[in-house]
Amino acid sequence: AQTVTQSQPEMSVQEAETVTLSCTYDTSESDYYLFWYKQPPSRQMILVIRQEAYKQQNATENRFSVNFQKAAKSFSLKISDSQLGDAAMYFCAYRNAGSNYKLTFGKGTLLTVNP
Amino acid sequence: GAVVSQHPSRVICKSGTSVKIECRSLDFQATTMFWYRQFPKKSLMLMATSNEGSKATYEQGVEKDKFLINHASLTLSTLTVTSAHPEDSSFYICSARADVNQPQHFGDGTRLSIL
Repeated sequence: AQTVTQSQPEMSVQEAETVTLSCTYDTSESDYYLFWYKQPPSRQMILVIRQEAYKQQNATENRFSVNFQKAAKSFSLKISDSQLGDAAMYFCAYRNAGSNYKLTFGKGTLLTVNP
Repeated sequence: GAVVSQHPSRVICKSGTSVKIECRSLDFQATTMFWYRQFPKKSLMLMATSNEGSKATYEQGVEKDKFLINHASLTLSTLTVTSAHPEDSSFYICSARADVNQPQHFGDGTRLSIL
């Protein structure tokens, strides 16, 4: 079974600074997807960024980028120029490529942004 | 795009009542919908996966007769918590996916409180 580990229960960053959230996963599959989701206090889960395992290039979405290390099974999220609105719970998630495969979530990292 | 609407956002009811939660994909057809349960400060726990027109696939430990899931159309899935009791109080979140190559998009969640 796949597992996703987020070793940082809480992180904090100063506004405008950069922060990196860690995620490691365990799988025997070669084809899969990785995701970072954000859940602000309003509670709706929002997709931040996704990465296909077969792509070597790290995904980037504006201020959000990932460092995908397939051999190390590591998938960290970097948030640049942090904003107050970035404060949320961040979940790393894994999914096998295929038909009905479910998402496996990490336990989450609570990010606080200090003004 | 990729908007998922969940209704109601909050329900408070007496023990023994059955509660229905709706999940709609507003701008895409969702071949697969997922139902999650989230406890305070915890990650999401997948309850069941439903494909349009098929019976839902429940995760181990989730009572099928307790949590009835219907996915009658490509834009609507419902979760009915039957004869709800205080231990069923939780935050329930649905997500929807257009196809296997697309990420899951989440609804706003439903806060269920059973008195």
